Amino acid sequence: NAGVTQTPKFQVLKTGQSMTLQCAQDMNHEYMSWYRQDPGMGLRLIHYSVGAGITDQGEVPNGYNVSRSTTEDFPLRLLSAAPSQTSVYFCASSPGQGYYGYTFGSGTRLTVV
Amino acid sequence: AQRVTQPEKLLSVFKGAPVELKCNYSYSGSPELFWYVQYSRQRLQLLLRHISRESIKGFTADLNKGETSFHLKKPFAQEEDSAMYYCALKSGANNLFFGTGTRLTVIP
Repeated sequence: NAGVTQTPKFQVLKTGQSMTLQCAQDMNHEYMSWYRQDPGMGLRLIHYSVGAGITDQGEVPNGYNVSRSTTEDFPLRLLSAAPSQTSVYFCASSPGQGYYGYTFGSGTRLTVV
Repeated sequence: AQRVTQPEKLLSVFKGAPVELKCNYSYSGSPELFWYVQYSRQRLQLLLRHISRESIKGFTADLNKGETSFHLKKPFAQEEDSAMYYCALKSGANNLFFGTGTRLTVIP
């Protein structure tokens, strides 16, 4: 099993550009989420999904969109990139409710100039 | 609202010394708490779950509901323990809320 796969690993965008960060898992996990990691702020939840067709906002959703058309994929879209969105983005998945931990992807380092 | 506090951004200990990484939480319901670790250039990985009361890599953590704490402890630190450690609280629809993390450095 590949686990949670994120692409790309690195990306540089210009202010105003849009892009999609990809996340895929092959563990048939119901729950998937996106976090951003910033120095001194830990990980903050952007959006999450409890199953195909269901998404909801986390702590810091502004400027981001998500969709969950399949169980496996949970892409994160930046609509109009801003320098404040420079961060490391992590995707995570979990089997669902219960005392399960998350499986994390390796992250995408995004720089907006 | 839920909150996880890790008061130490940086913690340095000598090899062989005991280590304690502090975590305090605020949550109105019954807490589910975790410790995650991120070694250099690796992805975040689960270290401990409070419900399992296990010891992983010599680390233990006890949930103290009276003090709302979930401190991570190890009696003898090893160099390979140097990493970033995050305490996390699960709430709502399986969402994890993380503290700001503690960077542990074990000095040889």
